[in-house]
This record gives sequence, C-alpha cells and structure tokens, in this order.
Amino acid sequence: AQKITQTQPGMFVQEKEAVTLDCTYDTSDPSYGLFWYKQPSSGEMIFLIYQGSYDQQNATEGRYSLNFQKARKSANLVISASQLGDSAMYFCAMREVNFGNEKLTFGTGTRLTIIP
Amino acid sequence: DADVTQTPRNRITKTGKRIMLECSQTKGHDRMYWYRQDPGLGLRLIYYSFDVKDINKGEISDGYSVSRQAQAKFSLSLESAIPNQTALYFCATSDRTGGFYGYTFGSGTRLTVV
Repeated sequence: AQKITQTQPGMFVQEKEAVTLDCTYDTSDPSYGLFWYKQPSSGEMIFLIYQGSYDQQNATEGRYSLNFQKARKSANLVISASQLGDSAMYFCAMREVNFGNEKLTFGTGTRLTIIP
Repeated sequence: DADVTQTPRNRITKTGKRIMLECSQTKGHDRMYWYRQDPGLGLRLIYYSFDVKDINKGEISDGYSVSRQAQAKFSLSLESAIPNQTALYFCATSDRTGGFYGYTFGSGTRLTVV
C-alpha cells in the first residue's frame, strides 16, 4: 500500500482563487510528521509547512495552511489567494521513525498551474 | 553560499562508467540523505547517515554506494552507471529545530546516463 497518496496529478486554478491539494497517508505509528514541499521548474525543493501528529491545531504559514484530519489520515494543503508564482509541483511527505530509523516518504506529487 | 551544496549540477555519463555525486553542508546537521527523483514517482530514499560512522540503506540502494567523509560531506557513487539511473538526485540534511526535524535539500544533480 502507498504510504503517501496524492490523487491529483495535475490541477489548473484561476489566479486569486484558493486551491486545495489532497494528501492521504498510511501509518500505524502514533508519532509522525507531515510535510509539504514546493518544487518549481528550477528543480529545488522548498519547504512550505509541517504538521506533527500530536499537534492540536492545524499548521499555517502565511498563505499556506494544512487541513489535518487525523481520523481520516488526510493532510491537505490549502493555498489561499493563489498567485502565478504558485505554479509548481507540490509534494506531500511523511516522516516516520521505526526502531530508531527515520524515513521521509514522498507522494508522487501534484502539478499546479495557475491561470492568469 | 547555499546551506547544502551538490556538485555537479548536471552530468552526462556513459553506461558502465563510475560516477560520484558530492554533497557538502554548512548546517552542522548530523543527519544526511540521498534521494532520487523520477517523473511520476516522487522522491525515493537511496541511503542515509545519522553520523559519520552510521550508514543505512534506503528503499532503492542497489547499484549505489555512499561515503560519509566528514560530518559535512556525504558522497553518492554509481559504480557502473546504467541508463535507468538517469534521474534527479537530491542530497538533504535534517536536524531538530522548532520542535520537529526539518529537512534542507540541495539544489539537485541532474544525471543522464547514455
């Protein structure tokens, strides 16, 4: 089974609209962390936001917020008021620690295109 | 200078050649990682190291080896490159900051094996 599932290979959104990128995860560990990264066409991985499994509140960072629904095992990224510069690949990732071994597992990504 | 520097940025090599990708960091982090990115597959972990004497295989280590020469340096080698190792390779470091382990990625090395 996939550890991280991103079901939207590509999305097109009108500039200034809000957009939600879906991410579901699978783990039996009680302690884990969820990350979102942005990868523009230049290729670098840019950290956007983090949510810990024990965090009571949904994480927010500027225009980015994480809609964390623990019972549903989903961690969707919400970008408010989208901008042309938001066009990029977006990856959801999960950090697990098993017997001292740490692993960051990535989803397959969603390519977001913002339309002027 | 970037916190995590990868060299080279781009490389084209021939099948069967040995090639080394280098990574150095100024973050002072103990943990370092090598990932590979293929289109449609996201990033997959090749090797990771929690300190100089600790090296661990990731999910796709076959055909690769690593060397942790110092806390700041972590190299990835392809002993005999093959075309399906054509990919974008990322080095990353991690440390606990702000209550969680954050990861810093290098800019990537685009490797083409012909």
